[in-house]
Amino acid sequence: DAGVIQSPRHEVTEMGQEVTLRCKPISGHDYLFWYRQTMMRGLELLIYFNNNVPIDDSGMPEDRFSAKMPNASFSTLKIQPSEPRDSAVYFCASSPWRGALEAFFGQGTRLTVV
Amino acid sequence: GENVEQHPSTLSVQEGDSAVIKCTYSDSASNYFPWYKQELGKRPQLIIDIRSNVGEKKDQRIAVTLNKTAKHFSLHITETQPEDSAVYFCAALDSGAGSYQLTFGKGTKLSVIP
Repeated sequence: DAGVIQSPRHEVTEMGQEVTLRCKPISGHDYLFWYRQTMMRGLELLIYFNNNVPIDDSGMPEDRFSAKMPNASFSTLKIQPSEPRDSAVYFCASSPWRGALEAFFGQGTRLTVV
Repeated sequence: GENVEQHPSTLSVQEGDSAVIKCTYSDSASNYFPWYKQELGKRPQLIIDIRSNVGEKKDQRIAVTLNKTAKHFSLHITETQPEDSAVYFCAALDSGAGSYQLTFGKGTKLSVIP
């Protein structure tokens, strides 16, 4: 298994533009998480899914952020419109649950909004 | 919700010395405490974890201790090596709550000086 795959690895966009981050979890993992990492706030959980259903999105900063998981092998995090303060590294992670609680992280997407 | 405090934020040690990183948590129901290591520009990866029914766990040069009464847990790295230099994150989870929200500490940047 190639692990959790995120794309793109780097994204530079202008303020106001729409940004879509993509994630492919490890096959068979029931849980998928989106985290945002900044120097100031560390690793913050934005939203997580269980069996493709959003369970808790209380970490989503505002309505500009949305996430979907149309099937077990794909999820997106969308920011529309983007702002400079959204600049961060966004990680997707998945976990099998069922007694194994380890979260496996993707390589992350470094987003820069100018 | 859970709140995890981590100290120190930065730590420098001489190669061969020990390093200790401490975390406290607020939710007494938390029962799973993982530690993640993040090398520069890389993804966080699990290095060791402990569950609330265990007071200590060791894996070669790393160990984690848990004091549920005081609600704190620590990471111990002995005989540090330059490749131990990274940011370390502690986290806490209440796996019995029917949800899966890992709350991370802000991280400790460990520098091992050759």
